[in-house]
Amino acid sequence: QVQLVQTGAEVKKPGASVKVSCKASGYTLTGYYMHWVRQAPGQGLEWMGRINPNSGGTNYAQKFQGRVTMTRDTSISTVYMDLSRVRSDDTATYYCARGDSVLVLAADNSFDPWGQGTLVAVSS
Amino acid sequence: SYVLTQPPSVSVAPGKTARITCGGDNIGGKSVHWYQQRPGQAPVVVIYFDSDRPSGIPERFSGSNSGNTATLTISRVEAGDEADYYCQVWDSSSDHQVFGGGTKLTVL
Repeated sequence: QVQLVQTGAEVKKPGASVKVSCKASGYTLTGYYMHWVRQAPGQGLEWMGRINPNSGGTNYAQKFQGRVTMTRDTSISTVYMDLSRVRSDDTATYYCARGDSVLVLAADNSFDPWGQGTLVAVSS
Repeated sequence: SYVLTQPPSVSVAPGKTARITCGGDNIGGKSVHWYQQRPGQAPVVVIYFDSDRPSGIPERFSGSNSGNTATLTISRVEAGDEADYYCQVWDSSSDHQVFGGGTKLTVL
């Protein structure tokens, strides 16, 4: 079955970088966009951006431009989300979620499935 | 940027019908997806493309979308439906995904 498995929880100091991985199984990674969504404690869902695992092309939310980098390693069916210069308000659970086929023109499909989430805690 | 507005909370008695709204400018012209998120779990899609239901989601879940409001309807509500619900659309003008603020459904 289609499954996304993320790395475990991380604790980082302010100003550091954090890299979260998301390993896909049950389908071809390069066939579908992968999105990253975060959720601060007790808060709602916030879209961070997406990567086309086939081309490596990315599209980031304005809020994260300059701090986030999404990459992939197709040989191990894994995508990565790297967030730099983290602050206390970056403390959140970070999810990867599969989106549309990379072949469609409109990116309006739902996210399914989601990874289990990775808690990133930023504290001095 | 495109904004989706949801009520923070909705309460309903067991067996009754819950309606959760998602407001946005001409949202009827967009495809709306709904997610259920139980505490400590990842979101799960319960309605996609306005009104389609994934396999495994009970028929009690339905969706509609018109004008400036999309609605998730849960009929014959059960205690297990208690969760946070989020609407989501793709904003073609920015090529960004947008989530509503979420609605906490409480089963009385």
